[in-house]
Amino acid sequence: ETGVTQTPRHLVMGMTNKKSLKCEQHLGHNAMYWYKQSAKKPLELMFVYSLEERVENNSVPSRFSPECPNSSHLFLHLHTLQPEDSALYLCASSWSGEKLFFGSGTQLSVL
Amino acid sequence: ILNVEQSPQSLHVQEGDSTNFTCSFPSSNFYALHWYRWETAKSPEALFVMTLNGDEKKKGRISATLNTKEGYSYLYIKGSQPEDSATYLCAFSGGGADGLTFGKGTHLIIQP
Repeated sequence: ETGVTQTPRHLVMGMTNKKSLKCEQHLGHNAMYWYKQSAKKPLELMFVYSLEERVENNSVPSRFSPECPNSSHLFLHLHTLQPEDSALYLCASSWSGEKLFFGSGTQLSVL
Repeated sequence: ILNVEQSPQSLHVQEGDSTNFTCSFPSSNFYALHWYRWETAKSPEALFVMTLNGDEKKKGRISATLNTKEGYSYLYIKGSQPEDSATYLCAFSGGGADGLTFGKGTHLIIQP
């Protein structure tokens, strides 16, 4: 148990669906992150929230929309995804950029 | 775009043998170098966070060294055990709130 909880563990969605991934941390951290793990690629940073302020990441398509309502919760809203967005999505938290604590991930399949 | 390279990509080691692998990273704007272990069906777990040139950290049979001037870090495992089988990730931090840049990892398999 890492102190970072992600739901759901698995998600299958069509290209026209709207879904959300949820992450909650119980560690008192002040930064939260979304990472994407695609096959044969390194973990790729998508979004960072530090003290509930979003650090812009211009390379992520707008069909991914993060939300951080407070320092313990992070969401990733998904809409009109493409099959190439199928991947493992990992949430993590840290204290001021120190070592990351990861959730167990959401394995996403887009049909 | 930051380039973090790890080698080898995969490694098969006999139980009881020692092994090591490499992470190379940009030597400019360095803040910290992280090592994580990612076992199958689990979450990545932090092993070390290293910040000082010449630093060496140890956790049981695993140790790591850091050379920030030339931009590399080594991870060593002494007397490999089957439970060491995992993917070992290194990640570069330039500081601030920008998050970490990860390498592709070294996939280590310990053969009994």
